[in-house]
Order: sequence, then structure tokens, then C-alpha cells
Amino acid sequence: DTAVSQTPKYLVTQMGNDKSIKCEQNLGHDTMYWYKQDSKKFLKIMFSYNNKELIINETVPNRFSPKSPDKAHLNLHINSLELGDSAVYFCASIPKGGETQYFGPGTRLLVL
Amino acid sequence: EDQVTQSPEALRLQEGESSSLNCSYTVSGLRGLFWYRQDPGKGPEFLFTLYSAGEEKEKERLKATLTKKESFLHITAPKPEDSATYLCAVRGYTGFQKLVFGTGTRLLVSP
Repeated sequence: DTAVSQTPKYLVTQMGNDKSIKCEQNLGHDTMYWYKQDSKKFLKIMFSYNNKELIINETVPNRFSPKSPDKAHLNLHINSLELGDSAVYFCASIPKGGETQYFGPGTRLLVL
Repeated sequence: EDQVTQSPEALRLQEGESSSLNCSYTVSGLRGLFWYRQDPGKGPEFLFTLYSAGEEKEKERLKATLTKKESFLHITAPKPEDSATYLCAVRGYTGFQKLVFGTGTRLLVSP
């Protein structure tokens, strides 16, 4: 009965490659987020989608492209990976009218 | 711009030794202050939401309080299983449901 799930859990890849991370929530929430957590544990928002519509787009390189095929899924595609993209990426969701964001387990990305 | 600063960065306690974690914030109209717990290799787990100065919330050995400029997470008689990183975040009235996080306090409770 996983609430917010992410795949893969770990991702090791070479610089310059393109990769995708997937997120799914079975909570019936309307809004989903992508966060990046760096090596110092700083968690920073990247994108937010509400019912498949992009509503938050922080200052993120355009190599990062989110996509929401439906309101239960939010994917993150990263082109031309760089060393600085190494981090843990968290997906989160929040119910309509709610205040609390629920986080997934994270995807640990290592770019070599 | 909304900002959150947490202190100390790391805290080491003996089991049973009570202490407090601090979260100072600046926000353009506070819509909510959130505390999360994060265990190594896992996602943040929600603990509390506080909405207005003077509000307090408790859960087991944890108690969160809020003033107009800061929040405290008091840990009473901690146990080793309380060891984790505690994250504070704020949500303002601008930025659709956007949370701004601090860098967290790493708590280690020794038996």
C-alpha cells in the first residue's frame, strides 16, 4: 500500500547521458512536486504540477523536463547529465485543499 | 524571498537528555510551518504543522512551538530511535503550495 513511490531507487550513469525518474502516488492527490536534495541535505523545490498542469517552475536548467501523463504520475527527464546533477531527487504530493506534502523514498542519482 | 535557518547543524545527546532544535524563518505571510523527520536513505516524514504564533503541538517525546520569528522542536527524554535529521519548512502566501526548507538538524541520541 505504498503512497508515493519512485523508480528507480538508485541510478548510476555517465556524464552526457539522458535519464528518466518516475513517480506515482496512489493517494488521489491533485498536486505533485519534484525536489532536489544535495549532499548537504538541502531540499529545494524544482517543479510542481497540479492536475497535469505545470504551476511551479523554479530556476532549473532546461535540461530538466517534467511530464505529468495523469494526476497520479509525475516523471522527470534529464538530458545531458552533468556531475552537478548528482543528488537525491524526491517526489511529493499534496491533496486538494490540503497542507501536508507526502514524500516518496527518493531516487539517488550519481553521475560519473 | 522566504528563508529558513536551522540550528544547530548537528546535536549529540545522551538518552534521556532533553534539548531543543531551532528554526528561524522569514516569510511573506506565514501560511504554515512544517516539521519533518528524515531517516538516512528515506524520504522526509511529516511530523507537525503550526499555523500561528503561540500554537503548540505534541507527539510522543516531541513538542513543536511557534513564535512570529521562530519555531522550536523540543525533545523530551530522547531515545536512540529519535536519531534522525529534523527538517523545518515554511509555506507563505506566495508560490502555490511551495515549501521552503532549512538545511536540517542532524540529531544523534546515544544509549
